[in-house]
Amino acid sequence: NAGVTQTPKFQVLKTGQSMTLQCAQDMNHEYMSWYRQDPGMGLRLIHYSVGAGITDQGEVPNGYNVSRSTTEDFPLRLLSAAPSQTSVYFCASSYSGGSHLQETQYFGPGTRLLVL
Amino acid sequence: AQKITQTQPGMFVQEKEAVTLDCTYDTSDPSYGLFWYKQPSSGEMIFLIYQGSYDQQNATEGRYSLNFQKARKSANLVISASQLGDSAMYFCAMREGNQGGKLIFGQGTELSVKP
Repeated sequence: NAGVTQTPKFQVLKTGQSMTLQCAQDMNHEYMSWYRQDPGMGLRLIHYSVGAGITDQGEVPNGYNVSRSTTEDFPLRLLSAAPSQTSVYFCASSYSGGSHLQETQYFGPGTRLLVL
Repeated sequence: AQKITQTQPGMFVQEKEAVTLDCTYDTSDPSYGLFWYKQPSSGEMIFLIYQGSYDQQNATEGRYSLNFQKARKSANLVISASQLGDSAMYFCAMREGNQGGKLIFGQGTELSVKP
């Protein structure tokens, strides 16, 4: 049971380049989310999904796309990277329904992205 | 309006002493969940403790307890018998209603444990 995995761990991009951050979970969680963490700040929600085929925007969605074709995978796409997207990106997953404790989000190790 | 407020950017505590990290929240939804996460210098987010809005008792998990004061909308984390390994950033977070997958985070408190 690997939990939540993210690749790559670190990436350097040039302004205008596109890339996809990968996220996968093997816990059969229905909820999956992407957050970004900037220095000195808490995490902010980018996009989230409540199940395969269903996604919605979070607090800071601009410049990012997501899709959820399977329960396991939730990739985050940067369409045209900008220096303002330099950040640490975390993917998280959780159960739905059941007790509230079961909705605790479990986080991947994070991806550090530097946009030059 | 900020929904999760952590007013202590940094705190120091002596090893083996207890420490309280403050968290206040704002929501009009009667159903919500409050979480505390630890982020060590290695960067991963570690779940510590959860409190549901309808829970009658304060949550406890080993050396961690949550001082939940619903009327004051506060959910302070208490760490007893601090250890050097407790040095880390601590984040309070809230889930409103049944919006699974959506957590709102505070800005965090950096805790340093002195030997």
